[in-house]
Amino acid sequence: GAGVSQTPSNKVTEKGKYVELRCDPISGHTALYWYRQSLGQGPEFLIYFQGTGAADDSGLPNDRFFAVRPEGSVSTLKIQRTERGDSAVYLCASSSLSVGEQFFGPGTRLTVL
Amino acid sequence: KNEVEQSPQNLTAQEGEFITINCSYSVGISALHWLQQHPGGGIVSLFMLSSGKKKHGRLIATINIQEKHSSLHITASHPRDSAVYICAVGNTDKLIFGTGTRLQVFP
Repeated sequence: GAGVSQTPSNKVTEKGKYVELRCDPISGHTALYWYRQSLGQGPEFLIYFQGTGAADDSGLPNDRFFAVRPEGSVSTLKIQRTERGDSAVYLCASSSLSVGEQFFGPGTRLTVL
Repeated sequence: KNEVEQSPQNLTAQEGEFITINCSYSVGISALHWLQQHPGGGIVSLFMLSSGKKKHGRLIATINIQEKHSSLHITASHPRDSAVYICAVGNTDKLIFGTGTRLQVFP
């Protein structure tokens, strides 16, 4: 079956612009996670959805970052007024359980010039 | 001090060697995950374990809950095993990741 997909695979933008990153989880998975991975580092937690609601957004670095999952499936991570420090690979994962195995998407590489 | 620490950071091996990657953690966990990441970014889950030992093909993962330590072993290593191996612990609803171990296996 289809795995987790993320679009776009690469996004280059200019400092100050707004970007949206999309995640399509595995069908039926209620838990969805966003992580950010900087070069040479392990991924860092950003936000976790259980269904439509953000159950834990403690990893969002500041109020420029926002994520939604309006119908409990597809999720969009939104970054306003992008900064060069936002450049990273943004990973999405989904799971059928909140503490179960997580299945990762291929990531979106964001470059802010 | 990081909540999840891995060693070594980099590892080079000859094909056929037995490989061990270690992971220590300092937080309470629901489970520990071993993940593989190839160049290009894709992450694949290898193991999720909360006690004892699991084996899948040439890969073996062990965990000692009392010592807060886990090991990933690769037997008869092969160049296609070259990747970054990441330890992550499940803490409430999220994963906390180590920085990864970069493994290169040469023929």
